[in-house]
Amino acid sequence: DTGVSQNPRHKITKRGQNVTFRCDPISEHNRLYWYRQTLGQGPEFLTYFQNEAQLEKSRLLSDRFSAERPKGSFSTLEIQRTEQGDSAMYLCASSLETAGEQYFGPGTRLTVT
Amino acid sequence: AQKVTQAQTEISVVEKEDVTLDCVYETRDTTYYLFWYKQPPSGELVFLIRRNSFDEQNEISGRYSWNFQKSTSSFNFTITASQVVDSAVYFCALSEIRSASKIIFGSGTRLSIRP
Repeated sequence: DTGVSQNPRHKITKRGQNVTFRCDPISEHNRLYWYRQTLGQGPEFLTYFQNEAQLEKSRLLSDRFSAERPKGSFSTLEIQRTEQGDSAMYLCASSLETAGEQYFGPGTRLTVT
Repeated sequence: AQKVTQAQTEISVVEKEDVTLDCVYETRDTTYYLFWYKQPPSGELVFLIRRNSFDEQNEISGRYSWNFQKSTSSFNFTITASQVVDSAVYFCALSEIRSASKIIFGSGTRLSIRP
């Protein structure tokens, strides 16, 4: 039984570049979530999908951020024109629609120089 | 608005001591979930427990126990006979049952168990 996987695990980019992260949820889970975690803080919700529909977006998700889940399976999170403030751990989680608990992947650590 | 407060930023105890991590929450929802997650040094968040707001029964799982008190909006977590492997950051969290969507996390308590 594979858990949530995320790629890449680490990404270093220069300010102004675009980056894209991928998340593969647990196979039978129809909900997929993105969170951001900065040092010393708990994860903060960014957005979530039920199947391919994006149902909620946080105010944290500026227009430089876009997420997709085109076939209701894996998801991508793209950040355009990265800024130093985007440096964080980006976490993906998945769940069943009927369950409250979410299962998290290992995260992608983004460093913007 | 929903909010989770973990007032203890860091706790350090000697192995085999019991330790309690405090969690206080705020929500206007009448039905909600409460969670505890563990984040070990490797970084991956590990789900520990989910409680429903309508079930105030305390729960015990091995050395772990959880005390849910709706009257004080608290959901405390106790580790009995702590071990070095318990060293991690522990997050208390909350979500509404109606949509079961986003989880609101506290800022975490860093627990260090000294041998």
